[in-house]
Amino acid sequence: DAKTTQPPSMDCAEGRAANLPCNHSTISGNEYVYWYRQIHSQGPQYIIHGLKNNETNEMASLIITEDRKSSTLILPHATLRDTAVYYCIVRPLTSYDKVIFGPGTSLSVIP
Amino acid sequence: EAGVAQSPRYKIIEKRQSVAFWCNPISGHATLYWYQQILGQGPKLLIQFQNNGVVDDSQLPKDRFSAERLKGVDSTLKIQPAKLEDSAVYLCASSLGTPGNTIYFGEGSWLTVV
Repeated sequence: DAKTTQPPSMDCAEGRAANLPCNHSTISGNEYVYWYRQIHSQGPQYIIHGLKNNETNEMASLIITEDRKSSTLILPHATLRDTAVYYCIVRPLTSYDKVIFGPGTSLSVIP
Repeated sequence: EAGVAQSPRYKIIEKRQSVAFWCNPISGHATLYWYQQILGQGPKLLIQFQNNGVVDDSQLPKDRFSAERLKGVDSTLKIQPAKLEDSAVYLCASSLGTPGNTIYFGEGSWLTVV
């Protein structure tokens, strides 16, 4: 079973920041938080990952709470092309780790 | 850099027929995954290979599904005989195989069983 919970759907106005929450209250010390997204009819696409520090790349920012029990993916200026299902995944840094997806959050960016 | 290649992209078969999907991972990627994604759900891991060995196939319905990666590169996933509930997207993914490496997904093979 997935170790994360996410809201099933969210809306965001175009040009505004989209903040997608994820709860991972049972995360352990050697587990990273990964985010993927899946645009309709495509395979999942890697966005960002982090352990305990906040991370930023060209696509998004990841904010992880100090207790690591939750995180937020931030798309700073959402566009219509960001409409997708976003998956938050907890992944252990061990050999042969399994990547288990939950149902994700369906983000709709509205003009 | 070429991505994960999958074929066919779309397939329609009748129940009880067989089907095979092919995957060519990114060059040099030791770990290969097959996922099944039913409409409206997240991807479900079917089988995971490390080179040509199976790491995890606990979710693979072995009475009808089989997968192989004989030379540690390409992989095939076969369904025989297909059932209506096998209608789904079959996603292949690969990674370098060391802990924490990014997993890259193909576009998927869409299967409809009628």
